[in-house]
Amino acid sequence: DAGVIQSPRHEVTEMGQEVTLRCKPISGHDYLFWYRQTMMRGLELLIYFNNNVPIDDSGMPEDRFSAKMPNASFSTLKIQPSEPRDSAVYFCASNRKDSAGNTIYFGEGSWLTVV
Amino acid sequence: GENVEQHPSTLSVQEGDSAVIKCTYSDSASNYFPWYKQELGKRPQLIIDIRSNVGEKKDQRIAVTLNKTAKHFSLHITETQPEDSAVYFCAASKGSTLGRLYFGRGTQLTVWP
Repeated sequence: DAGVIQSPRHEVTEMGQEVTLRCKPISGHDYLFWYRQTMMRGLELLIYFNNNVPIDDSGMPEDRFSAKMPNASFSTLKIQPSEPRDSAVYFCASNRKDSAGNTIYFGEGSWLTVV
Repeated sequence: GENVEQHPSTLSVQEGDSAVIKCTYSDSASNYFPWYKQELGKRPQLIIDIRSNVGEKKDQRIAVTLNKTAKHFSLHITETQPEDSAVYFCAASKGSTLGRLYFGRGTQLTVWP
């Protein structure tokens, strides 16, 4: 299994620009999560989907952030317009309900720098 | 929601010594407690987990204990090695919110050769 695949791995953008982060979950997983990691706030859950439907977006910081999951194998997290305080590592993760429990599997992360 | 607290935030040990990281949680309904290891510049990866029907679980040099009454769980690493140096995160979740993990703030473990 290729694991959770994220792109881009690194992005540097100017303040005000639109940023789109992409994620392909593990095949067969029906839950997808977007996390943000910073030194100040640690790992924060932004939003998660079940069967492509957003379940909880209470962690999305503000209207500048939006996430979509048009199908079971693809999700995007968009920031428009971006600001320097959005600089962070954004992780996508996925899992599947089974007898093994609630383990989630992270992608390699997208390192975003907004200058 | 659930609140997970983790201590200490940093931990330095000599190679060969043991390391213990402790976490507490607030929601008595939580029933799944994984531990993740994150090396510098890498993604968090699951190293061990425990469910509420078990008090202790061991995997080679790593063990996790759970005290449901006190609502705390701990990670124990014995015979530490320099490659154990990383940030360790504890987390908690409950079956009603599958996969929604509440993470602690992490512990930076440094193992000196």
